[in-house]
Amino acid sequence: GAGVSQSPSNKVTEKGKDVELRCDPISGHTALYWYRQRLGQGLEFLIYFQGNSAPDKSGLPSDRFSAERTGESVSTLTIQRTQQEDSAVYLCASSLGSPKITGELFFGEGSRLTVL
Amino acid sequence: AQSVTQLDSHVSVSEGTPVLLRCNYSSSYSPSLFWYVQHPNKGLQLLLKYTSAATLVKGINGFEAEFKKSETSFHLTKPSAHMSDAAEYFCVVSDWVNDYKLSFGAGTTVTVRA
Repeated sequence: GAGVSQSPSNKVTEKGKDVELRCDPISGHTALYWYRQRLGQGLEFLIYFQGNSAPDKSGLPSDRFSAERTGESVSTLTIQRTQQEDSAVYLCASSLGSPKITGELFFGEGSRLTVL
Repeated sequence: AQSVTQLDSHVSVSEGTPVLLRCNYSSSYSPSLFWYVQHPNKGLQLLLKYTSAATLVKGINGFEAEFKKSETSFHLTKPSAHMSDAAEYFCVVSDWVNDYKLSFGAGTTVTVRA
């Protein structure tokens, strides 16, 4: 597609429910990233994919968070047993290579998650 | 670990006047630094990047930033603000070892008065 697409754009859920957030990166981008943006704060790195593998999962806040990527394309971020502190905007980005080399990550508009 | 500090959470300027957004970085090595902009209901967009070439970096929409190692700063400037510059701006540094990992500042919200 023309840009990074994320769905849903907004999700309201009850505490304890599971949620899935989807990201469609730009076609041909091998690198994919998930970030979290809490209100009034900068972006927080969650996970990085190179192709289908995730060499760095260090940013995932707890074992309730998981992510996968299939076919070097779509990625899904899953949050199990959601808590109120999970409320945030979850941003996906993709790039041709590392930021230092290519200089740019292309971001989606984000999925806003509200846990009641 | 690398990090950035944006010194102003909010900047308000009049249209046609200069804009200055301040950013200081912390890095043990020569860093790669970026400025991203986020307009309301839009995805983040790269404004400019510094990767150890020229210290004065020009970006899109008339923005530029100067890397000053002695001051560990990477301030963003624009000579004349436009109404369309109203947005949130993030200073970003990449990890030296794991350069895919970006550390974002808390952001500076810019408002432009007519």
